[in-house]
Amino acid sequence: SQTIHQWPATLVQPVGSPLSLECTVEGTSNPNLYWYRQAAGRGLQLLFYSVGIGQISSEVPQNLSASRPQDRQFILSSKKLLLSDSGFYLCAWSVRTREKQYFGPGTRLTVT
Amino acid sequence: KQEVTQIPAALSVPEGENLVLNCSFTDSAIYNLQWFRQDPGKGLTSLLLIQSSQREQTSGRLNASLDKSSGRSTLYIAASQPGDSATYLCAAYSGAGSYQLTFGKGTKLSVIP
Repeated sequence: SQTIHQWPATLVQPVGSPLSLECTVEGTSNPNLYWYRQAAGRGLQLLFYSVGIGQISSEVPQNLSASRPQDRQFILSSKKLLLSDSGFYLCAWSVRTREKQYFGPGTRLTVT
Repeated sequence: KQEVTQIPAALSVPEGENLVLNCSFTDSAIYNLQWFRQDPGKGLTSLLLIQSSQREQTSGRLNASLDKSSGRSTLYIAASQPGDSATYLCAAYSGAGSYQLTFGKGTKLSVIP
């Protein structure tokens, strides 16, 4: 069966510090991968999606970036965090585009 | 641009009651619609996915319907239990070429024992 992991589960970082969040998927090959952010009082916002290694598309301009160094690994990064980057970050995968998405447990990021 | 709305934002019902959660969308040219459950501080759990060609999907006590012409989907929960308490989100894939799953803000359900 397929499993999706995210770490860390919780992170508190000062403004201006770098960020690296990791997501890995097990039990499937060549998945579509997605990064979402869920801010308090707002819906889920798609940040990045990837249909293959090295193929990243951004939905929202921001100071975040994403990379996919391996088939089942998706990384969300920032060089300098802003207060507005605080939120709950969720990674998801699907077999193909516009099919059922499966979500990871999430990372709670607080920027202080 | 697809917009998804869920009303009410919160709902409280006594245990055992049947209930309906509502979801509306603006672009009727949806590819499919997915219902999720989110427990506090947790990720999303996929409940049901309805293709645009389908009218409903069932899983256990859950039944989701889709009416593209009216831009609405409903999630019916039969014989509600305290363990059903969570936030329920609906999300729609728009038409051809769209990678983006557009989410509603959810309905927070509380089932009172």
